[in-house]
Order: sequence, then C-alpha cells, then structure tokens
Amino acid sequence: ETGVTQTPRHLVMGMTNKKSLKCEQHLGHNAMYWYKQSAKKPLELMFVYSLEERVENNSVPSRFSPECPNSSHLFLHLHTLQPEDSALYLCASSQAPSGSTEETQYFGPGTRLLVL
Amino acid sequence: AQSVAQPEDQVNVAEGNPLTVKCTYSVSGNPYLFWYVQYPNRGLQFLLKYITGDNLVKGSYGFEAEFNKSQTSFHLKKPSALVSDSALYFCAVRDSGSWGKFQFGAGTQVVVTP
Repeated sequence: ETGVTQTPRHLVMGMTNKKSLKCEQHLGHNAMYWYKQSAKKPLELMFVYSLEERVENNSVPSRFSPECPNSSHLFLHLHTLQPEDSALYLCASSQAPSGSTEETQYFGPGTRLLVL
Repeated sequence: AQSVAQPEDQVNVAEGNPLTVKCTYSVSGNPYLFWYVQYPNRGLQFLLKYITGDNLVKGSYGFEAEFNKSQTSFHLKKPSALVSDSALYFCAVRDSGSWGKFQFGAGTQVVVTP
C-alpha cells in the first residue's frame, strides 16, 4: 500500500478543534478522491479533484474543506466537527481520462477519526 | 442515477469450498464494474473490473466475476476459498458517462472457517 499514503492513521479531536488529513500518491495519477466510510454504510464519495481542480462535491458540509495543491497531494481540513463525523476517511487516486474510458482507483489505508 | 446492492451482509464458507459474493447494479448507461477487498485497518485493494469485452473477468488472488447484463449482476467468485480470504468485499459501479462518480455497495463480510 505504499502507492497512496495517508497521515495521520488515527486522530482524536474535540468539536472545537481544527485539524487536517493528508494524502499523498506516488503513482503518477492526476485525479484524487476523498471518501467517508462509516460502519454498515456504503462508502460516501465526498470530493473529487481532477488535474488539481475540484470536479465533484457531494453536498458535503462546509466543516470539511478539501485542498489539492498539486496532483500528488490532497488535504482535508476539518473544523468544528460533530460526533457523527467519526468515521474512516479514505483517500484514493486514479488516472483521469485522457483518451481512456475507464479508471481504477487505488486507495490509501485511511485515517480513523474520532470526534468527541 | 446509479446504484449498487450487495444483498448479503455476511457470507460464511468453509475453507476449500466455493465462494460467491453477490452484487447487482443499476445505471442509466453502460456500467463499469469493480470489486475491491478490505482487510482490517487497511484501505481498499482493487481485485478486478469489467469495462467491456468478455463477460468473465479474472482478477487477483484467484478471484473472478461474471458480468450478466440481463440480470444486472456482477457476482464475485472463487472456486476454493482460503482462510486468508476472510475480509470485507465491496462492489462498485459507475455509469460510463459519469467519470469519477463511483457508487459503492455497503460491503459483504466474508468469513472462511478452517
């Protein structure tokens, strides 16, 4: 799983804290994604960046703020979270279509977030 | 709209027996279908995909899946399960016209007993 790395692996934060999750991909991809994984629920696609521009925002609350400074790095800035935001946050990367018709996403190990 | 369903929360199978994990989907256009596996405290690992061509797709670790357009299904199969196959399996779909918008199922926990 060295292709996509995420830090930190575990995070505990209070509702008034501000923290950031980091994702880095070493696969030469140009698209990156944030997903939320909660127990017994399907993965929820949060944000998609292609060529460093946000192309998808699935009605995510503004307390989650993504940032993609370049094609290898993706951040998720967190502030004033709620306990129901506790989940596993997964980052993925793929090759955005440039003549291709499909892509496979490669995932990082995730950050386990607990909001108290 | 697109959706995917994994009707079984958990599948139990004895080691050496065949393993099947079910997945059905709904898309408005042509489906691109994927299977991923997740081991504890790990991210999702890609197993296989169907984009076009042969309906039977072979993937990693001896897994295969069959695309059935009439039944809108993409079931994952392995002829002989191993204890190490115990994990959480996810089916995913996206419409061919909706780049990047993957829809994942809720996952099926596979338990292989010795």
